[in-house]
Amino acid sequence: DTGVSQDPRHKITKRGQNVTFRCDPISEHNRLYWYRQTLGQGPEFLTYFQNEAQLEKSRLLSDRFSAERPKGSFSTLEIQRTEQGDSAMYLCASSLLGGTGVKAFFGQGTRLTVV
Amino acid sequence: GQQLNQSPQSMFIQEGEDVSMNCTSSSIFNTWLWYKQDPGEGPVLLIALYKAGELTSNGRLTAQFGITRKDSFLNISASIPSDVGIYFCAGQLQGGSEKLVFGKGMKLTVNP
Repeated sequence: DTGVSQDPRHKITKRGQNVTFRCDPISEHNRLYWYRQTLGQGPEFLTYFQNEAQLEKSRLLSDRFSAERPKGSFSTLEIQRTEQGDSAMYLCASSLLGGTGVKAFFGQGTRLTVV
Repeated sequence: GQQLNQSPQSMFIQEGEDVSMNCTSSSIFNTWLWYKQDPGEGPVLLIALYKAGELTSNGRLTAQFGITRKDSFLNISASIPSDVGIYFCAGQLQGGSEKLVFGKGMKLTVNP
């Protein structure tokens, strides 16, 4: 049973550098979400894909952030010109279209530290 | 933005005791989810609720979707040390958005 997989688990980068994270959802899931979590807070929604289409973006997703899901399978989240305020846990989740509501399963997250 | 008020923020209990926590909002939700998160890990889904009034159990955990669709609660019975962690409620707002809105979490400590 393969759950949502995220890579890397940890990333330390210098301010101003670009970083890219990868998410592999549960194989039959066609919805994929990115969330950000800072210390002591609940996750905050960033963006959501249905298959390869990016259907919703949060105002938190500044111009420096870009997410893709080119073939409707894995997704990448890129942060350009990182800032110290970008330090957080970046969580990916997936869900299956259909049913009565969202049932999102999360990966283990990527912990980003910007120094 | 939308907020979920989750309470209490933390609890310290003895092993074997029951725990209750809840989430409230001024907004109406279509879905309520409860997650548990361990340090450095992603949230793990515990229970999903989709109908007002729905009561669902998962082992020692019981959760309910409030009748007004603006709240939900989670009970843990006969707590054990491995229940330690942070519990989050999350809701999907009425209106079609796919995003989940999370509470700030409830940190549970269980003393053996």
